[in-house]
Amino acid sequence: GQNIDQPTEMTATEGAIVQINCTYQTSGFNGLFWYQQHAGEAPTFLSYNVLDGLEEKGRFSSFLSRSKGYSYLLLKELQMKDSASYLCAVSANDYKLSFGAGTTVTVRA
Amino acid sequence: IAGITQAPTSQILAAGRRMTLRCTQDMRHNAMYWYRQDLGLGLRLIHYSNTAGTTGKGEVPDGYSVSRANTDDFPLTLASAVPSQTSVYFCASSDGSGHTDTQYFGPGTRLTVL
Repeated sequence: GQNIDQPTEMTATEGAIVQINCTYQTSGFNGLFWYQQHAGEAPTFLSYNVLDGLEEKGRFSSFLSRSKGYSYLLLKELQMKDSASYLCAVSANDYKLSFGAGTTVTVRA
Repeated sequence: IAGITQAPTSQILAAGRRMTLRCTQDMRHNAMYWYRQDLGLGLRLIHYSNTAGTTGKGEVPDGYSVSRANTDDFPLTLASAVPSQTSVYFCASSDGSGHTDTQYFGPGTRLTVL
């Protein structure tokens, strides 16, 4: 099976930066996804990485190191609306997504 | 554009009853998926369909069945519900063009089995 680990919870202050780490051990690798999920809602797509390096998309950036089995999602200039769960998901040999348990980020004023 | 719709939004069901969760997408996506989400466990794949007429088993298929008669619809059936099937169920779809597929999720069905 696939093994995907991310912290359970993180708390940060409005305007600050938070980095959510994700480590994975999978059978093959075809890309890593980050999704955002607000409480009681559906997951929504944030980013996709398949090559090593940093992908920047506005206030959100995602980094991948395939050799280390490691990714992080960086949230800058935190806003209250960023309080949500962030899900790391890996596409492995069979192209199906395996999800981590999610990291709940709480933004405090 | 509605994207993906699921019905019902929530349901309380007696153990042993049969239940079908409905999922419809209007994006003409080839691939569709059913996940369950439980606290502390994340999203787990139940069944999937790469294209109309085909289905496959995911990580936790026992107690569930699916069908894919056409591109748009992908119902999930619990033949005889048990309390351990209490969960939030999400349907998702992707265009199925390859490994870079982004999956888009429906709003979910909250199911309680008593």
